[in-house]
Amino acid sequence: GAGVSQSPSNKVTEKGKDVELRCDPISGHTALYWYRQRLGQGLEFLIYFQGNSAPDKSGLPSDRFSAERTGESVSTLTIQRTQQEDSAVYLCASSLVGQNSSPLHFGNGTRLTVT
Amino acid sequence: GESVGLHLPTLSVQEGDNSIINCAYSNSASDYFIWYKQESGKGPQFIIDIRSNMDKRQGQRVTVLLNKTVKHLSLQIAATQPGDSAVYFCAEGDYNFNKFYFGSGTKLNVKP
Repeated sequence: GAGVSQSPSNKVTEKGKDVELRCDPISGHTALYWYRQRLGQGLEFLIYFQGNSAPDKSGLPSDRFSAERTGESVSTLTIQRTQQEDSAVYLCASSLVGQNSSPLHFGNGTRLTVT
Repeated sequence: GESVGLHLPTLSVQEGDNSIINCAYSNSASDYFIWYKQESGKGPQFIIDIRSNMDKRQGQRVTVLLNKTVKHLSLQIAATQPGDSAVYFCAEGDYNFNKFYFGSGTKLNVKP
């Protein structure tokens, strides 16, 4: 598709289980971002991938959170041993970076509910 | 992370009026700013952007103003319509590295 695609759109999991969220960025976009958005709040930066550079993981809230990206394509965000406070919408975005930088293009997010 | 904040958490306007949404940013090194609109259940959508070498940029019914002296950004929406009702976020970043921080958002309610 033409936009950023995220799956699943909704995920309900039990406390203590691991979850994996997927993001398919726009083809050709070198940068990929994950943000967390709690209900009624702003976007909290989690992690940023840019080309072959080491990812910027400075926003990950704990070592239960990790993310990977394969080349300049799909990314997965993994949350281990989920807690109720992990409940939020997880948004992925991609963009071009450099001389022709583009704004971030967002997917519709994965709504995670930890029961 | 950096601090990006908004002055008004909720703004109610009458249909047809102009809306002004404000944003304060904290990093004087930021050189690229973007406004996003987020409707319920959707991801943020790009509205308009501005680089730090400009102080004003206009789009269709929207204008962004940048005041670097006081680190303030505003979004003006002309002739506000019901479809403009949403949460609006500003984001600041570095154009070359394109890493962005977002504020908490302003909810715009347009009354018919």
